[in-house]
Amino acid sequence: DTGVSQNPRHKITKRGQNVTFRCDPISEHNRLYWYRQTLGQGPEFLTYFQNEAQLEKSRLLSDRFSAERPKGSFSTLEIQRTEQGDSAMYLCASSSPQWPDTQYFGPGTRLTVL
Amino acid sequence: DQQVKQNSPSLSVQEGRISILNCDYTNSMFDYFLWYKKYPAEGPTFLISISSIKDKNEDGRFTVFLNKSAKHLSLHIVPSQPGDSAVYFCAASLKGGSQGNLIFGKGTKLSVKP
Repeated sequence: DTGVSQNPRHKITKRGQNVTFRCDPISEHNRLYWYRQTLGQGPEFLTYFQNEAQLEKSRLLSDRFSAERPKGSFSTLEIQRTEQGDSAMYLCASSSPQWPDTQYFGPGTRLTVL
Repeated sequence: DQQVKQNSPSLSVQEGRISILNCDYTNSMFDYFLWYKKYPAEGPTFLISISSIKDKNEDGRFTVFLNKSAKHLSLHIVPSQPGDSAVYFCAASLKGGSQGNLIFGKGTKLSVKP
C-alpha cells in the first residue's frame, strides 16, 4: 500500500527564485489537496482538485502560486518569485470519492526561502 | 476568525493514564470531524473520525466524542503510551468533506511520560 508521496522533501532557495513541488496521490484517489503549514499553526488549505479540474482555491493562493493536475494523477505546485514569507511546510493530501471524505496526507515538502 | 479551536497548546500525561484532547468549533454546518497526529518533519497521520450523526466513535485505544449542542469534540486515548507523544490536530469539514477543504485547529502537543 503506497501512500501519498511528495518530492522533494526539502527545498532551500533564494528569494526571487521559482520552485516546483510534486505530489503523487494514492492511486485510486481522485481528489487531491494542497495545504500549507507554518510553525505553531494547523495546516491551511490552498487548493483542491477533483480529477484534473481545480475546483477551489483559497485566498491564500496568491497569483504567484499555481497548481496543476494535468492527467488527474500527480499534481505540481509552483511558486514564482519566492518570498521569505513563503517558507513553510507544503502538504499534499488525497481522498477517494466516497462519503465521508477522509484525507490522507503525504510527508510534506519543507521550503526555506533565504 | 478561527472556526476550529484547540485551546490547550500542550498536555502532559503519565504512561498508562488517559489523555483527553479537546476541540471546539463555531460553524454549526460542520458535519464531519477528524483527528490527525503529527510527528516533527512528517505529514499528519489520520487517526479517527466522526460524522455529526453520531456522538461517539471508537477505534482501539482511541475514542472520539462529539457534543453537537456544545460544538465540542474530544479525543480520548486509553491507555496512553510514550509513542503517542506528538501534536494532535482536530479538523472539520462541510457536507462530509465533499466541499473540499478541511479546517484545522492549531494543535495540542501531547507528551506521554514513562
